[in-house]
Amino acid sequence: QKEVEQNSGPLSVPEGAIASLNCTYSDRGSQSFFWYRQYSGKSPELIMSIYSNGDKEDGRFTAQLNKASQYVSLLIRDSQPSDSATYLCAVNIDGGSQGNLIFGKGTKLSVKP
Amino acid sequence: DVKVTQSSRYLVKRTGEKVFLECVQDMDHENMFWYRQDPGLGLRLIYFSYDVKMKEKGDIPEGYSVSREKKERFSLILESASTNQTSMYLCASSLAGPSYEQYFGPGTRLTVT
Repeated sequence: QKEVEQNSGPLSVPEGAIASLNCTYSDRGSQSFFWYRQYSGKSPELIMSIYSNGDKEDGRFTAQLNKASQYVSLLIRDSQPSDSATYLCAVNIDGGSQGNLIFGKGTKLSVKP
Repeated sequence: DVKVTQSSRYLVKRTGEKVFLECVQDMDHENMFWYRQDPGLGLRLIYFSYDVKMKEKGDIPEGYSVSREKKERFSLILESASTNQTSMYLCASSLAGPSYEQYFGPGTRLTVT
């Protein structure tokens, strides 16, 4: 059974701090990795994609990928109360010839003013 | 911008009714997906389609069917709604590759009484 694991949280950080969200996956053949943000009652919104080992930065967000350790993370710098949401990690399956993703159950982030 | 729309935000149906949920995307994506999301269970794939008139079962297809007559439209059908199908239903679409970024519609909150 291919899995994506995330700590469910809640992860609580003060405003302005760095929030670090982690995800591990079981399928060594995975090539594509995604982070989604989901506000309560809303649908998931894609915020980052990463395909190669290393870091990818987009504004206050940095995604980090380590395929050897089967680990992907999301750093949020200068966290804001508006970042409070559930963050879903998603990974493609078997190289993803049909684009199927496995989603983790999400980590709930709370940023305190 | 990718836009995925769903026919209803909220829907209330009675047990035994036939329910149609429609999803339309405007980005010429090949792949379309139907998920349900329940607290503690995360996103679960019901059905997906990678081409017109093609469909594949996901992890929880029982009690559901789908239809894809046009590339931009993917319908989910509950043949005889039951209370355990009360859930948030999410439609997503993606390209066939090389990026498998999935974009979600706003979701339909279905209540079966």
